[in-house]
Amino acid sequence: NAGVTQTPKFRVLKTGQSMTLLCAQDMNHEYMYWYRQDPGMGLRLIHYSVGEGTTAKGEVPDGYNVSRLKKQNFLLGLESAAPSQTSVYFCASSSIIRDFSYNEQFFGPGTRLTVL
Amino acid sequence: AQSVTQLDSQVPVFEEAPVELRCNYSSSVSVYLFWYVQYPNQGLQLLLKYLSGSTLVKGINGFEAEFNKSQTSFHLRKPSVHISDTAEYFCAVSSTSNDYKLSFGAGTTVTVRA
Repeated sequence: NAGVTQTPKFRVLKTGQSMTLLCAQDMNHEYMYWYRQDPGMGLRLIHYSVGEGTTAKGEVPDGYNVSRLKKQNFLLGLESAAPSQTSVYFCASSSIIRDFSYNEQFFGPGTRLTVL
Repeated sequence: AQSVTQLDSQVPVFEEAPVELRCNYSSSVSVYLFWYVQYPNQGLQLLLKYLSGSTLVKGINGFEAEFNKSQTSFHLRKPSVHISDTAEYFCAVSSTSNDYKLSFGAGTTVTVRA
């Protein structure tokens, strides 16, 4: 099992360019998440998905769009990159919650994005 | 909504010394609590979790944490650290309802010196 993988690992963009980050998981998890990590701020949730074809906004969704066309993939798009989006992006996935059990999230290795 | 405060941003410690990382949370509902570890240039790994029951929880690599409801704290401890424990540590909270989102603290960087 590869777990959660992210593509690419590094990327440099110019302001105004667009790009898509790909997250893939092979654990058959229903839930998937995109976070950004900035120094001194921990991880903040951008968007998440509770199943194929459904997405929802997290804490900091502005400037990002997502799609979950296949259960195993969760794409994060930046339509017009800004320097404020320079960050490390982490994808995570978790299995469905039953009987109010806990929600352990498994994380990918991250994508380091720089916007000039 | 829940929030987490990690009281120390940097903790330098000598090898084989004990370490404690402090975490306080705020929530109007019951919570689950987690500690994650991030080694340099890697993703996050779950270190331990509190769901219910015993307030002292043990995790991987000799770490343990104690849930204190009255003080709304979930401090992480290890009695003797190794160089390999150098990492960033994140405290996280989620509600016990059908809310799938984790709220993370800002992180504590632990640097272990020989």
